[in-house]
Amino acid sequence: GEDVEQSLFLSVREGDSSVINCTYTDSSSTYLYWYKQEPGAGLQLLTYIFSNMDMKQDQRLTVLLNKKDKHLSLRIADTQTGDSAIYFCAESIDGNKLVFGAGTILRVKS
Amino acid sequence: SQTIHQWPATLVQPVGSPLSLECTVEGTSNPNLYWYRQAAGRGLQLLFYSVGIGQISSEVPQNLSASRPQDRQFILSSKKLLLSDSGFYLCAWSRGETQYFGPGTRLLVL
Repeated sequence: GEDVEQSLFLSVREGDSSVINCTYTDSSSTYLYWYKQEPGAGLQLLTYIFSNMDMKQDQRLTVLLNKKDKHLSLRIADTQTGDSAIYFCAESIDGNKLVFGAGTILRVKS
Repeated sequence: SQTIHQWPATLVQPVGSPLSLECTVEGTSNPNLYWYRQAAGRGLQLLFYSVGIGQISSEVPQNLSASRPQDRQFILSSKKLLLSDSGFYLCAWSRGETQYFGPGTRLLVL
């Protein structure tokens, strides 16, 4: 079956880089996603990567995909206090569905 | 541009009472629509998805039902709420591979 796993918690200092890791199991996933959830709010799509890509960069965000190891990471450069949130990794299956990880709580200390 | 609305934002209901949560999408036609539940502020569980009017797929057996009476309207219902129905309910839409989420409804069953 499909499963997405993430580490539970990450704490960084303001200005440092954050790296959030994710592993997935479905090798046929076509897209992989990172969503951000701030307290009490819905999920905001941050970025996504097509499965035939190794890397995608979007301003402070860098996504790395290791398809062989089924490992996805999100790097946030120059992390700010406003980046504190829960970050969800998700993989697409069957074209219609997303399978989400349990989320990584990112705490940014000033 | 597309927007997605959910209401109510917050709901407190007694055990055994009925439920109706509404989700509407603007700015697109024939979207795929989804209902998720997020328990304890963490992982998301897909409850229902719909690829068209009157077409509903249920992902998990439960006390809830969904309906899609119009192209851009998705309703989550229950005839009798249980304590375990408490949670944060998120609606999402997609056309293609990416899902976009609404602001969510927080439901507390007492």
